Amino acid sequence: NAGVTQTPKFQVLKTGQSMTLQCAQDMNHEYMSWYRQDPGMGLRLIHYSVGAGITDQGEVPNGYNVSRSTTEDFPLRLLSAAPSQTSVYFCASSYTPRQAKEKLFFGSGTQLSVL
Amino acid sequence: DAKTTQPTSMDCAEGRAANLPCNHSTISGNEYVYWYRQIHSQGPQYIIHGLKNNETNEMASLIITEDRKSSTLILPHATLRDTAVYYCIVRVADDYKLSFGAGTTVTVRA
Repeated sequence: NAGVTQTPKFQVLKTGQSMTLQCAQDMNHEYMSWYRQDPGMGLRLIHYSVGAGITDQGEVPNGYNVSRSTTEDFPLRLLSAAPSQTSVYFCASSYTPRQAKEKLFFGSGTQLSVL
Repeated sequence: DAKTTQPTSMDCAEGRAANLPCNHSTISGNEYVYWYRQIHSQGPQYIIHGLKNNETNEMASLIITEDRKSSTLILPHATLRDTAVYYCIVRVADDYKLSFGAGTTVTVRA
C-alpha cells in the first residue's frame, strides 16, 4: 500500500497564482485533513473531511478551498496565493477519528513557496 | 480540548532512556493522551495513546499520573534515529480537530 500520497513535493508560486495540492490515500479511510506547518511551529488544521461530499473548516481555513468527491482524494486549492501561505502542507487520514484507537497517517508533505 | 505544556527541547544520550514530560492539568475525563513525533521534514508519526492506564508498545511507554494531569513518554533505549520533535496531544475520541502544539525537540547524542 502507498498510504497517503501528496503531490507535488515542492512548488513555487507567484503572488496571485492558483494551484491545487493533491492528496490521495489507498487505505479506504473516511477521514482526511490538511495541515500547514510554518517554520518552528506545530501543525495547524486547515480543512477536514469525514467522508465523500462532507468537508468542514479547521483553525486556519481562509484562502483555501477543499472538496471531497471520492473517498480516496482530498485536494487543497489555493485560489490566489499570498506570501503568507508559504509553508509546508501535510495531508493526513484515518479510518475514523470517532474511536480513540484511530491514529492519523500523514503524507510526506508539500513545501510551498509564494513569492 | 485541554491544553498541553511541554519543554521546548531536551537532550538524551544514545542508549539511555528518554523521558519526555507533558502537563495537561485541565484534561477532562473523556480526553485521551496521544503522542506523535516528527522526524525532520517528514510527516508526523503516531507513537502511542492512553486514557488512564499505562501503555506500552514496540516504540515507547506512556505513563499517566493517577490524577491524569500529566504524563511521560518513555523511549527505553534512545537511538540517533529518535531525534525528532515530539508532540503531546489530548483530545476526545470523536474530535475531528486534532491540534498539534510546538512540541519538544529531542536530540539524541552519541
